[in-house]
Amino acid sequence: GQNIDQPTEMTATEGAIVQINCTYQTSGFNGLFWYQQHAGEAPTFLSYNVLDGLEEKGRFSSFLSRSKGYSYLLLKELQMKDSASYLCAVRDGQAGTALIFGKGTTLSVSS
Amino acid sequence: DGGITQSPKYLFRKEGQNVTLSCEQNLNHDAMYWYRQDPGQGLRLIYYSQIVNDFQKGDIAEGYSVSREKKESFPLTVTSAQKNPTAFYLCASSSGAHEQYFGPGTRLTVT
Repeated sequence: GQNIDQPTEMTATEGAIVQINCTYQTSGFNGLFWYQQHAGEAPTFLSYNVLDGLEEKGRFSSFLSRSKGYSYLLLKELQMKDSASYLCAVRDGQAGTALIFGKGTTLSVSS
Repeated sequence: DGGITQSPKYLFRKEGQNVTLSCEQNLNHDAMYWYRQDPGQGLRLIYYSQIVNDFQKGDIAEGYSVSREKKESFPLTVTSAQKNPTAFYLCASSSGAHEQYFGPGTRLTVT
């Protein structure tokens, strides 16, 4: 079967660093995506990992370990505008290029 | 400006009526997708299309239908057979295996 797990909620303060974990079990694996979604809006693409290791993009980094079925999204120098849901999604290849999404992690950043 | 448009943003219907949600993209993407999002839930795949005149069922296709007669357009019909149609519907497109771009979504309420 297919299963993607992420924590439901996390809180952090401005300027801090937060790590959002994602574990997955899928029948195949062809890439992992992280999206940001503000309340009532569409998801926007943050990062993509298909090989093991760390991908860095400004304040955001994403890590993947395929052998462990594990990824994390690291957000540095948190800002209030980072308060949003963060969605982990896996492409398992069996549904073409469609993605399987986790339920998302709601991050609240306070001052 | 390239992008994905969904209309309308809010839609209200009476139970027993079919309703069609519009999705148009001018990104020249081959693949298009429909997802449904319920409160506190991740995105669930309804239908996807990798190419014109072809589409595949996702995890929750029952009670929905689609067509893909043009590359730019992928309308979704929510039929009266869908037991719980009230939800936030998101359309997305992608170029091959690249990241998916999402439209602004349609919030459908059926009473």
